[in-house]
Amino acid sequence: DAGVTQSPTHLIKTRGQHVTLRCSPISGHKSVSWYQQVLGQGPQFIFQYYEKEERGRGNFPDRFSARQFPNYSSELNVNALLLGDSALYLCASSLVVRGYEQYFGPGTRLTVT
Amino acid sequence: GESVGLHLPTLSVQEGDNSIINCAYSNSASDYFIWYKQESGKGPQFIIDIRSNMDKRQGQRVTVLLNKTVKHLSLQIAATQPGDSAVYFCAENTFSGNTPLVFGKGTRLSVIA
Repeated sequence: DAGVTQSPTHLIKTRGQHVTLRCSPISGHKSVSWYQQVLGQGPQFIFQYYEKEERGRGNFPDRFSARQFPNYSSELNVNALLLGDSALYLCASSLVVRGYEQYFGPGTRLTVT
Repeated sequence: GESVGLHLPTLSVQEGDNSIINCAYSNSASDYFIWYKQESGKGPQFIIDIRSNMDKRQGQRVTVLLNKTVKHLSLQIAATQPGDSAVYFCAENTFSGNTPLVFGKGTRLSVIA
């Protein structure tokens, strides 16, 4: 079975631009979470979605938004990119929304110049 | 806010020796803990988890110990191998609640051949 997949693998954007990152969860998993991992630090929670509804939001500005589709895939959108948004963006999926094993994708490396 | 932290940022061990990676947590409401391994360029990989009703859990070459009294957990890796070289994160959560994973900063394990 395929694991969590994310696209694109890498991308480079300019300050002020917008970016959309995509995630496909493991088959059968209904919850998707997004994390930001700045170099040298642990992942920080951004959003969690379950059955297309937002179930949690971390301490990130409104420039960050996300949604989950009927097939449980998800998109993370970031508007008005800042240099500080450069990071590895990780998607994780789990069977249910409550604390449980989360399986991470390989991430999307975003560089903002 | 409360967060998970780690005692040692780096750890070097000889191949074949045992490794011990420590983690302190501060949220007394956390009752579910997970260790992740992250290799360069990859997302975190689930290693082992433990719920707060347990003190010890063993997997293949790995053991997690939980001391709720001092809010400390550790990951023990037996007969450390070069393939164990990675950054290790502990993460905390509440098993029954809709709370996100909170990660520590990570410990880099380097195995010396």
